[in-house]
Amino acid sequence: QQKVQQSPESLIVPEGGMASLNCTSSDRNVDYFWWYRQHSGKSPKMLMSIFSNGEKEEGRFTVHLNKASLHTSLHIRDSQPSDSALYLCAASMGTGGADRLTFGKGTQLIIQP
Amino acid sequence: DPKIIQKPKYLVAVTGSEKILICEQYLGHNAMYWYRQSAKKPLEFMFSYSYQKLMDNQTASSRFQPQSSKKNHLDLQITALKPDDSATYFCASSHIQDTQYFGPGTRLLVL
Repeated sequence: QQKVQQSPESLIVPEGGMASLNCTSSDRNVDYFWWYRQHSGKSPKMLMSIFSNGEKEEGRFTVHLNKASLHTSLHIRDSQPSDSALYLCAASMGTGGADRLTFGKGTQLIIQP
Repeated sequence: DPKIIQKPKYLVAVTGSEKILICEQYLGHNAMYWYRQSAKKPLEFMFSYSYQKLMDNQTASSRFQPQSSKKNHLDLQITALKPDDSATYFCASSHIQDTQYFGPGTRLLVL
């Protein structure tokens, strides 16, 4: 069973709209969550990270974390066609070392002009 | 200038052969990683190294051997290649417990 579950698998949002992506870890040892964006044929690029309960905003991107439920969500407002990509959620344990990232299967986001 | 270099970009191999994937990072990071991504499986962790020492290993098969000759190098040797090994192999690097930056990847096709 996948330890990091993402939903939905795919999402179509009109240009200028709000995209909301979800991610939950089933591993209670997880401490950190990361959101990566991967455009087709490219490598993943870190978008946002969150380690504490609450909300973090950077420009059009907002990430939420509920550590009790190990649930994080990413919200993209005023979505642009360039936001069309695979969004990957990853979790790590924060051991203080070279921690592995455990990725979900991703949400394929399509922004329709 | 690319800060993480992976060579080659594309690789075609025959079943049973051996290949080495090269990774060099110029970000001054002390941790390096290998991940694999295929159509069948999500992006999955393989190995992590810190200060040239193996820290974590998720790969069950001994056919996959990481090699670190310098602190900013982490190559991946794959022996007895199988068609199932076909995937894109990403090298990543980071400061300890910090954001991992991914290289452009090596796309491997095993025939």
